[in-house]
Amino acid sequence: AQSVSQHNHHVILSEAASLELGCNYSYGGTVNLFWYVQYPGQHLQLLLKYFSGDPLVKGIKGFEAEFIKSKFSFNLRKPSVQWSDTAEYFCAASYSGTYKYIFGTGTRLKVLA
Amino acid sequence: ETGVTQSPTHLIKTRGQQVTLRCSSQSGHNTVSWYQQALGQGPQFIFQYYREEENGRGNFPPRFSGLQFPNYSSELNVNALELDDSALYLCASSLTGGNYGYTFGSGTRLTVV
Repeated sequence: AQSVSQHNHHVILSEAASLELGCNYSYGGTVNLFWYVQYPGQHLQLLLKYFSGDPLVKGIKGFEAEFIKSKFSFNLRKPSVQWSDTAEYFCAASYSGTYKYIFGTGTRLKVLA
Repeated sequence: ETGVTQSPTHLIKTRGQQVTLRCSSQSGHNTVSWYQQALGQGPQFIFQYYREEENGRGNFPPRFSGLQFPNYSSELNVNALELDDSALYLCASSLTGGNYGYTFGSGTRLTVV
């Protein structure tokens, strides 16, 4: 079955630390990949997306993600986090021929000021 | 952009009752999907509507049903509520079927007692 795994459920960092959140997806043919962020009390917002082309994708707020096909991974990175990055982050996949997104269970990031 | 709006924001129902949740899609979007997000989990796909027709369904029983109207707004109906139906229900809209990123609403928090 198609699935998305996020291995870090809770991450605590100090401001200015570097961030990398893991995301792995199962094989299922052509896949589109997404990272969404949910700030406390707010709706899910799209951070970045990958369809094809350059495997290094840049998104909003200084986030980027790298698609590594051989590892079925799409990890999210940010060189220097801020207190305002405290949120829950979801990785999602959409497989060719389907319309549904398959979400991971999310990673709660807390950034200490 | 008006974004995706959902109503009500919170709802408490008794087991066995029926509930209707409403969603107004972002202006210009003709595709609406519904997701269920249980506590501590990622969103799970319920179904999608495109131009008033259901065109994809997740692993949810038939007591979960929906509608899309000519103005592309949508309803999610759940009959014979069960305690496990307690969750955040998210509506998401897109212009192209969802493969390029959905815009999510803030959700309806349903509690079944």
